[in-house]
Amino acid sequence: GAGVSQSPSNKVTEKGKDVELRCDPISGHTALYWYRQSLGQGLEFLIYFQGNSAPDKSGLPSDRFSAERTGGSVSTLTIQRTQQEDSAVYLCASSTSGRPDIQYFGAGTRLSVL
Amino acid sequence: SQQGEEDPQALSIQEGENATMNCSYKTSINNLQWYRQNSGRGLVHLILIRSNEREKHSGRLRVTLDTSKKSSSLLITASRAADTASYFCAPKTGGTSYGKLTFGQGTILTVHP
Repeated sequence: GAGVSQSPSNKVTEKGKDVELRCDPISGHTALYWYRQSLGQGLEFLIYFQGNSAPDKSGLPSDRFSAERTGGSVSTLTIQRTQQEDSAVYLCASSTSGRPDIQYFGAGTRLSVL
Repeated sequence: SQQGEEDPQALSIQEGENATMNCSYKTSINNLQWYRQNSGRGLVHLILIRSNEREKHSGRLRVTLDTSKKSSSLLITASRAADTASYFCAPKTGGTSYGKLTFGQGTILTVHP
């Protein structure tokens, strides 16, 4: 696709429910990143994929958070048993082997946990 | 990666004026990038300056890098209302070009028409 696509754009859920956030990176981009942005914490790194493997998952805040990437393309970030502090904008980015330093971001998913 | 710290936290100017934002970091870097974010959503890459470069231009943007002071500045000349956004720097360390970016709190720029 033309850019990084994230869905849904907005998600409202009840505390304790599980949610899945989807990221479709730019076609051909081998690296994929998840970040989250909240008022109190700013922009935080969550996890990085190179192909289907995750060399760096150091930013996942708890074992309620997991992510996978299949076929070297689409990635899903899953949050189990959501808590109110999980409310944030979740941003996905991808980069290409030609210019690995530069990350292209999607518009994000705004998650609200009630 | 290390976190950059942007200064000032907020900047308010009139259209046509220049805007300067600063970024400081702590350890040696490979490169430093600047990103813009509109309305709290996706970030857009603006410019990348490598550690062996001192200045770089892109349109109305001018970035400088002073590795001895561990600081960078982003200058937007002849600002427009559309430049209103948050601006983040991302200093990059490490031996690989891949890897996470670490952002500070950003500078919120407001350009009044």
